[in-house]
Amino acid sequence: AQSVTQLDSHVSVSEGTPVLLRCNYSSSYSPSLFWYVQHPNKGLQLLLKYTSAATLVKGINGFEAEFKKSETSFHLTKPSAHMSDAAEYFCVVSDRPEGTGGFKTIFGAGTRLFVKA
Amino acid sequence: KAGVTQTPRYLIKTRGQQVTLSCSPISGHRSVSWYQQTPGQGLQFLFEYFSETQRNKGNFPGRFSGRQFSNSRSEMNVSTLELGDSALYLCASSLKVTDTQYFGPGTRLTVL
Repeated sequence: AQSVTQLDSHVSVSEGTPVLLRCNYSSSYSPSLFWYVQHPNKGLQLLLKYTSAATLVKGINGFEAEFKKSETSFHLTKPSAHMSDAAEYFCVVSDRPEGTGGFKTIFGAGTRLFVKA
Repeated sequence: KAGVTQTPRYLIKTRGQQVTLSCSPISGHRSVSWYQQTPGQGLQFLFEYFSETQRNKGNFPGRFSGRQFSNSRSEMNVSTLELGDSALYLCASSLKVTDTQYFGPGTRLTVL
């Protein structure tokens, strides 16, 4: 069965310091993995996605994520946080549940990132 | 290219009523998915349509239903509204569901 676990509900960093948002998943198929960001009162925006090509995925705004199959992890990182990065981040897995013809998309619970000046 | 549009943006209903929300995907996208977002439960998958067929469904009661038309536009319906149905309902479209999903701004439903 699919599941997505974001290990931290809140992360607080200082501006200019690295960001690490952790995500673990389970999947019975070969999943596609995504990170989305949601700024207050704004829609969801794709940061990056993994679809079984390179394990290190580069996204927008300096974010990147590394797919580690052995650890079933897909952590999101950024070398230097900016105030505008303050938002909620969602790790997402899209997979085909056994016995069905369609795909199912599961969102993690979200991690709220706070950036201190 | 126009993004995903959802109408209406805001809606207030009372318990027991029913509601229909509409989603117009990005031109050329045939997959439409619906999600419910609440502070307590986060983002939960409702259903996914591709070429007018519902291919997958989340764990929601039968009061939640949807459909997709031949032009890929989609509607979702919630009957016999309950207070707990108050949420932001998001629609997303993609070429196929494992592709990047592009989200609309959502419909904020309030049930009184």
